[in-house]
Amino acid sequence: EVQLVESGGGLVQPGGSLRLSCAVSGFSFSNYWMTWVRQAPGKGLEWVGNIKQDGSEKYYVDSVKGRFTISRDNARNSLYLQMNSLRDEDTAVYYCARRRGGSPTNWYFDLWGRGTLVTVSS
Amino acid sequence: QSALTQPPSASGSPGQSVTISCTGTSSDVGGYNYVSWYQQHPGKAPKLLIYEVTKRPSGVPDRFSGSKSGNTASLTVSGLQAEDEADYYCCSYAGSNTVVFGGGTKLTVL
Repeated sequence: EVQLVESGGGLVQPGGSLRLSCAVSGFSFSNYWMTWVRQAPGKGLEWVGNIKQDGSEKYYVDSVKGRFTISRDNARNSLYLQMNSLRDEDTAVYYCARRRGGSPTNWYFDLWGRGTLVTVSS
Repeated sequence: QSALTQPPSASGSPGQSVTISCTGTSSDVGGYNYVSWYQQHPGKAPKLLIYEVTKRPSGVPDRFSGSKSGNTASLTVSGLQAEDEADYYCCSYAGSNTVVFGGGTKLTVL
């Protein structure tokens, strides 16, 4: 069964750090780009960033550049999101997703986890 | 990286058709034939409905269809059913290895 399971969310104070994980099963994790997408309470989806199959390329939305880092461990079939210098506006459900598309400009997300909630508050 | 523009809400009666628009610019929607659409029920993860403007993944009913003209993409839901009541999001490649989502449309089945 194909599964993406996020974990690591919780309550953190502004300026703090948190590391999210996404455990993948049911497909060849190392063959795919992976993505983090977030959704603030009552708001829409926001793409956070992507990582290439071997981790050699990473891209981020401007609002998290320099604060968030995406990484992966293909041996453990796991994706990570290290979040530093957290702000109130980072409060959201964070989803990991599998990126598909056969060209550098063709991006869509065909498998999603159920998400993990990050709350930034004092 | 501005969000694509979607109407906040749309509605229709069972059996009717409804179309949701998604307007961007020539740097995203208009520049690439790579628009995707996602359905999200309350408290659930998004689900891929349409990719590459018009393609449906296996398992998605053919009541869902996509199109694009210029800088605007559209999702049409035909033969509305109660279970179609959900939030819908468009998404487009936006250049420089980034993507952008629309603000979302809440579809109500009357």
